[in-house]
Amino acid sequence: DTGVSQNPRHKITKRGQNVTFRCDPISEHNRLYWYRQTLGQGPEFLTYFQNEAQLEKSRLLSDRFSAERPKGSFSTLEIQRTEQGDSAMYLCAYGGSYGYTFGSGTRLTVV
Amino acid sequence: KQEVTQIPAALSVPEGENLVLNCSFTDSAIYNLQWFRQDPGKGLTSLLLIQSSQREQTSGRLNASLDKSSGRSTLYIAASQPGDSATYLCAVKTGNTPLVFGKGTRLSVIA
Repeated sequence: DTGVSQNPRHKITKRGQNVTFRCDPISEHNRLYWYRQTLGQGPEFLTYFQNEAQLEKSRLLSDRFSAERPKGSFSTLEIQRTEQGDSAMYLCAYGGSYGYTFGSGTRLTVV
Repeated sequence: KQEVTQIPAALSVPEGENLVLNCSFTDSAIYNLQWFRQDPGKGLTSLLLIQSSQREQTSGRLNASLDKSSGRSTLYIAASQPGDSATYLCAVKTGNTPLVFGKGTRLSVIA
């Protein structure tokens, strides 16, 4: 139990399809983050929320990506018109002054 | 822009050896530094968090040190075991920016 639940754990999709991932922190946290990790690399920041507000987006987050946190609790990350380059592990985390806690991630494979 | 470098990229040691993993960062004005462990295909597990005012943190066989002025941290693993085999990631929090990761050190402990 990491304190953050991510679903699905794995997703295989065909190029051009849309996919949506969900992140549920077990307890309420103001700040929620999305990261992407490709093979052999460290996680890279995508976006973060302070409650419902999306406060920062990385240049990695193209216009095909959209994230929401409608009630300041769970969050979703949608990728439209997936490309093979989107294949990666998508990680959700909450964090603050006392460090970050990550979920187990969603591994996306675009074929 | 904060950059984090981890050396070596990979390390293989026989069981029982003590070992040191290195992390360096370019902007010394950090808020805290966190070491994570990642098993293949899995999410991140937090190992140790060092606040900027601290010099080291210990947990079991793990000891992490921080030298802010030189932009360096080390993770010391005592009496390594095959179960320690994983990728170790260093991540730095600077001000209000999101956590920035290194690429990790892939550790193999051979029985």
